[in-house]
Amino acid sequence: DTAVSQTPKYLVTQMGNDKSIKCEQNLGHDTMYWYKQDSKKFLKIMFSYNNKELIINETVPNRFSPKSPDKAHLNLHINSLELGDSAVYFCASSQDTGGGPYEQYFGPGTRLTVT
Amino acid sequence: SQKIEQNSEALNIQEGKTATLTCNYTNYSPAYLQWYRQDPGRGPVFLLLIRENEKEKRKERLKVTFDTTLKQSLFHITASQPADSATYLCALDLSGSARQLTFGSGTQLTVLP
Repeated sequence: DTAVSQTPKYLVTQMGNDKSIKCEQNLGHDTMYWYKQDSKKFLKIMFSYNNKELIINETVPNRFSPKSPDKAHLNLHINSLELGDSAVYFCASSQDTGGGPYEQYFGPGTRLTVT
Repeated sequence: SQKIEQNSEALNIQEGKTATLTCNYTNYSPAYLQWYRQDPGRGPVFLLLIRENEKEKRKERLKVTFDTTLKQSLFHITASQPADSATYLCALDLSGSARQLTFGSGTQLTVLP
């Protein structure tokens, strides 16, 4: 069973388009995250979401928005895509109650290429 | 500003030797530190977590130390194997709520047969 899954695995699109990446976790975790890993392999937190509380990394453009239809899903919507958005995006989840800290479980990643 | 540095982008060692990876941080006193492994084309996988009041943590061939005075964590893999070849990332929580992990840039370890 896949713990954290993301779709699609690859996404190629043109500048200016709007796209979404889906993420689902079947671990029953409280908190979900989105990370961006650039070409230099540097992994940066973008968002964390827990029980309707959203924490946004201040460096993330407001073209990026996470949407959580339920506790098991946190989708990433990106508007007006730019070349610099090309990267690998990782979804992750963790348990966040009961006295942590807890490790994070990552999805397989979505490679976004903006042309 | 907070900075996390991992020693050398790449580290090559001979099979059977002990690999030692370093994670240094500045301007912060984290309550704990985590280590992850990332293989090419895959997401990071959690390995170990060490708290500020723990000097050392072990898991099979892995050992992590945490020196809050030096602001440094060392990650050791003993009796290394080619299958240990991967990128290893250290991560700190800067938010205090376990929801904003900041990762180091990683060290790419290659274990040569």
